[in-house]
Amino acid sequence: GAVVSQHPSRVICKSGTSVKIECRSLDFQATTMFWYRQFPKQSLMLMATSNEGSKATYEQGVEKDKFLINHASLTLSTLTVTSAHPEDSSFYICSARTTRQGQETQYFGPGTRLLVL
Amino acid sequence: QKEVEQDPGPLSVPEGAIVSLNCTYSNSAFQYFMWYRQYSRKGPELLMYTYSSGNKEDGRFTAQVDKSSKYISLFIRDSQPSDSATYLCAMSFYNQGGKLIFGQGTELSVKP
Repeated sequence: GAVVSQHPSRVICKSGTSVKIECRSLDFQATTMFWYRQFPKQSLMLMATSNEGSKATYEQGVEKDKFLINHASLTLSTLTVTSAHPEDSSFYICSARTTRQGQETQYFGPGTRLLVL
Repeated sequence: QKEVEQDPGPLSVPEGAIVSLNCTYSNSAFQYFMWYRQYSRKGPELLMYTYSSGNKEDGRFTAQVDKSSKYISLFIRDSQPSDSATYLCAMSFYNQGGKLIFGQGTELSVKP
């Protein structure tokens, strides 16, 4: 099956620092990747849609200067949380879109837990 | 009003029980309906998807969609302790590869 990885799986950082999270599709090429955020006991909320070679599209209310997204290749997208603050502590999940048996589908990564002290 | 409503539970059932999980939605433009399973501290895993009203069966799982009532369900037969997880419904305007709107998720616990 399709595999999507995320690195790191968990990160603790000090307030004011920046953190980079990688999302990789391991056995397929993904022209589109999505970034979600999930707070405890809450649903997944889409933050942005990342297309290879172009600027990301951010959802309403998501600060594009704070959450920098780069989709430099068909297998890698990165999310950088700049000047992180405690309220940015959350579970960040990416997904990658591909076509299987003529059907578009997306596969989710295992998530990255961010704790900002 | 949220676009997708789902009772967060928690729901606790004995092993072997039939589990019924439900979501309602407000936007009739949704075309694709998915159910995901999420274990603690893991990413979601697709269980079922459908794009038409009616039932779709896959092993112990049955997905039901009623577009006229804007209501979807997931039934789990012969539930097992390994089914203990959070179940999220999700909906899309175009297909399963597009932007997904998730419900809050229902936490299920199946007791041996």
